[in-house]
Amino acid sequence: DARVTQTPRHKVTEMGQEVTMRCQPILGHNTVFWYRQTMMQGLELLAYFRNRAPLDDSGMPKDRFSAEMPDATLATLKIQPSEPRDSAVYFCASAAGGSEAFFGQGTRLTVV
Amino acid sequence: QQQVKQSPQSLIVQKGGISIINCAYENTAFDYFPWYQQFPGKGPALLIAIRPDVSEKKEGRFTISFNKSAKQFSLHIMDSQPGDSATYFCAVLYSGAGSYQLTFGKGTKLSVIP
Repeated sequence: DARVTQTPRHKVTEMGQEVTMRCQPILGHNTVFWYRQTMMQGLELLAYFRNRAPLDDSGMPKDRFSAEMPDATLATLKIQPSEPRDSAVYFCASAAGGSEAFFGQGTRLTVV
Repeated sequence: QQQVKQSPQSLIVQKGGISIINCAYENTAFDYFPWYQQFPGKGPALLIAIRPDVSEKKEGRFTISFNKSAKQFSLHIMDSQPGDSATYFCAVLYSGAGSYQLTFGKGTKLSVIP
């Protein structure tokens, strides 16, 4: 059953704390995306990787967000320090080549 | 600047009716135009997609119409059912020069009422 797996599914944290979200892309997929979804902004592209190399992270606030792919089976999105405005659902997606992107179930982040 | 503009924001359709969602884009370099469907608490899932060398693609009750000269594409859902109630996103993909940039519209919340 090939699917993108994200952990945790839900996270509640206090302002100022570090948050790490993890994503396991579908085996063999060489492109990984991080999106943030809010009611106001919809689905915003934060960053994406191809063959583990970051291609574009212009959608990410650089002072507090960082994205990495330590290996082909793991992508991470870190927020440090977290702020209430970071509350959103964060999606990871993966793709092979130039067509369909498969999304994970998302991590619902609440920063209080 | 928004790369793809989607309308309407919300849509209510009677069961059996036709749902139509529209998207417009600016960059003629986009080379793939997918539609995604999202149910509450789930991630978006690909519904149907089209490449710019085709003007229409049909899969069951779902049809994409693509107008390259007008830079517009639309999703038509025939015989709409309550189970189609979801949020629909159009997207545009640019895959030139080794990149793979998938950008989404703001979404349309569809409600199909019995």
